[in-house]
Amino acid sequence: RKEVEQDPGPFNVPEGATVAFNCTYSNSASQSFFWYRQDCRKEPKLLMSVYSSGNEDGRFTAQLNRASQYISLLIRDSKLSDSATYLCVVNGGANNLFFGTGTRLTVIP
Amino acid sequence: NAGVTQTPKFQVLKTGQSMTLQCAQDMNHEYMSWYRQDPGMGLRLIHYSVGAGITDQGEVPNGYNVSRSTTEDFPLRLLSAAPSQTSVYFCASSPLLVQETQYFGPGTRLLVL
Repeated sequence: RKEVEQDPGPFNVPEGATVAFNCTYSNSASQSFFWYRQDCRKEPKLLMSVYSSGNEDGRFTAQLNRASQYISLLIRDSKLSDSATYLCVVNGGANNLFFGTGTRLTVIP
Repeated sequence: NAGVTQTPKFQVLKTGQSMTLQCAQDMNHEYMSWYRQDPGMGLRLIHYSVGAGITDQGEVPNGYNVSRSTTEDFPLRLLSAAPSQTSVYFCASSPLLVQETQYFGPGTRLLVL
């Protein structure tokens, strides 16, 4: 079983739509959770950390469900510039991270 | 700050050749790591270092060596390149803990023929 699993998509949504991605993780002892964004042929960049209480950053909301071992990312009012691949990341121990394969989002005009 | 830099950006090797991928950071970060990214797979950790003189293996270390003689530099060596090592390689750093934000370099695209 993979440490982190994501729906690869692609998700094609119109501008202004709301879209949600889910990610499941296998290690119940994981303590740190992140969403990274990766543009085509570029390096990943941190979008937001995910906290137990859930957190919001503008149009982006991240939530963690420890009981079911999944995290989610909600994007409201999608913009063309949101088109990218979104990577779910979970720590696998003290010194390593596990990355999901990514969910590809395309926002259509 | 330049952040995390990687050289070369692109490289073509023949099977059996060796080479070193360079990674440097100017943020005084203790933690550095190397990942490879392949289609349909998430980034996979090759090796990491928690400080100068300290390195350890990640998920897919075979065929690669690393060293950390300074805080700034963390080169990745391919000992004898194989077609299975065709990939995009990313170097990353963070202040101390892996749980903190990882800053990635722009990547090196490697093709092994």
